[in-house]
Amino acid sequence: GDSVTQTEGQVALSEEDFLTIHCNYSASGYPALFWYVQYPGEGPQFLFRASRDKEKGSSRGFEATYNKETTSFHLQKASVQESDSAVYYCALGDTNAYKVIFGKGTHLHVLP
Amino acid sequence: ETAVFQTPNYHVTQVGNEVSFNCKQTLGHDTMYWYKQDSKKLLKIMFSYNNKQLIVNETVPRRFSPQSSDKAHLNLRIKSVEPEDSAVYLCASSYGLGDYEQYFGPGTRLTVL
Repeated sequence: GDSVTQTEGQVALSEEDFLTIHCNYSASGYPALFWYVQYPGEGPQFLFRASRDKEKGSSRGFEATYNKETTSFHLQKASVQESDSAVYYCALGDTNAYKVIFGKGTHLHVLP
Repeated sequence: ETAVFQTPNYHVTQVGNEVSFNCKQTLGHDTMYWYKQDSKKLLKIMFSYNNKQLIVNETVPRRFSPQSSDKAHLNLRIKSVEPEDSAVYLCASSYGLGDYEQYFGPGTRLTVL
């Protein structure tokens, strides 16, 4: 079946560092890909999505590009802030199973 | 701005008791979901409802049952709670199934003693 893999379980950075969180997927065709962010004490929030090869999604300074060749949708941000500390989820829309498949999440800790 | 509402925020109960959680969305969405999130923040889909019909029923124990009165409301009942049911239960909604973004409520934290 379809799946999503987030390589990093935890990422620790200092403010103004460059962020990359890796996300790879396994699915046929062109599934919709998503990034969500969850702050402490809240539910996950939708960041952005992409559904075509080479399409870039972006929001709040974060961005990711859909790459069909490498089956990836890596999250990046040029300069992280302490307020970006949260759990980030990559997700895939499985239209055959009528659901969204979430990765295991990456805990981002940004030190001041 | 919160558009998916969940009650209660927290619930502490004893093993064997029955609990119910409520969810309401004001976004006009056709699809609603229940997720279980464990202490490691893993998200597991439990149920999906599309226009009041159950679409996905993952392999959850029979003591869990979703209940929907209309497409804006989706409740979750646990008939006889077990210690492993301690988790955060998240409700979400979306315009449709599969490849639409989901909007989550703040969650209900259940602790089973």
